[in-house]
Amino acid sequence: TQTVSQSDAHVTVFEGDSVELRCNYSYGGSIYLSWYIQHHGHGLQFLLKYYSGNPVVQGVNGFEAEFSKSDSSFHLRKASVHWSDSAVYFCAVSAAGANTGKLTFGHGTILRVHP
Amino acid sequence: DAGVTQTPRHEVAEKGQTIILKCEPVSGHNDLFWYRQTKIQGLELLSYFRSKSLMEDGGAFKDRFKAEMLNSSFSTLKIQPTEPKDSAVYLCASSFTNTLYFGAGTRLSVL
Repeated sequence: TQTVSQSDAHVTVFEGDSVELRCNYSYGGSIYLSWYIQHHGHGLQFLLKYYSGNPVVQGVNGFEAEFSKSDSSFHLRKASVHWSDSAVYFCAVSAAGANTGKLTFGHGTILRVHP
Repeated sequence: DAGVTQTPRHEVAEKGQTIILKCEPVSGHNDLFWYRQTKIQGLELLSYFRSKSLMEDGGAFKDRFKAEMLNSSFSTLKIQPTEPKDSAVYLCASSFTNTLYFGAGTRLSVL
């Protein structure tokens, strides 16, 4: 069974700041890790994912995430946020090899970017 | 390139009514998922189809929730009878290689 923990329910920053949203997971086997973004009133939208190779993966709109096996983490980062990045961010994990979208989601982190 | 389409966007029901939510997945995607989203519980998996076959039916949601996929391009989620605690956003998603594509959701309010 996979579990995903997003320790920060809310993060507030100012436009132009850097931000890191934390995600820790637990699972014994090979996994896919991904991040999704949800703007108010919309469905979730894929940002990026990691399975193997370079532990730093690039996503859309300047987001990147870094996988750490030793820390069981997959934190999301952005060097300079814009007010339009205000949204809820979900970390998710799925078992590799199953080739399905059956994901386990964290509870989400609400990011507020003040102009 | 059409994404996942969900209808209606909003639904208001009286307690005890039957409601049917609809979803059209992305063409060519084999997997389809129904999720319920609330502030307290977050995202909860209701049903999962692979190539139209029901793979999971979300355990705790079995008794009043029924998802069907009669063809590869259309799925429904029926809630019968509705209860106030069913008020939530219902999200449909289809997937391709471990990436989910979500619809905009249906916001259900049960009075």
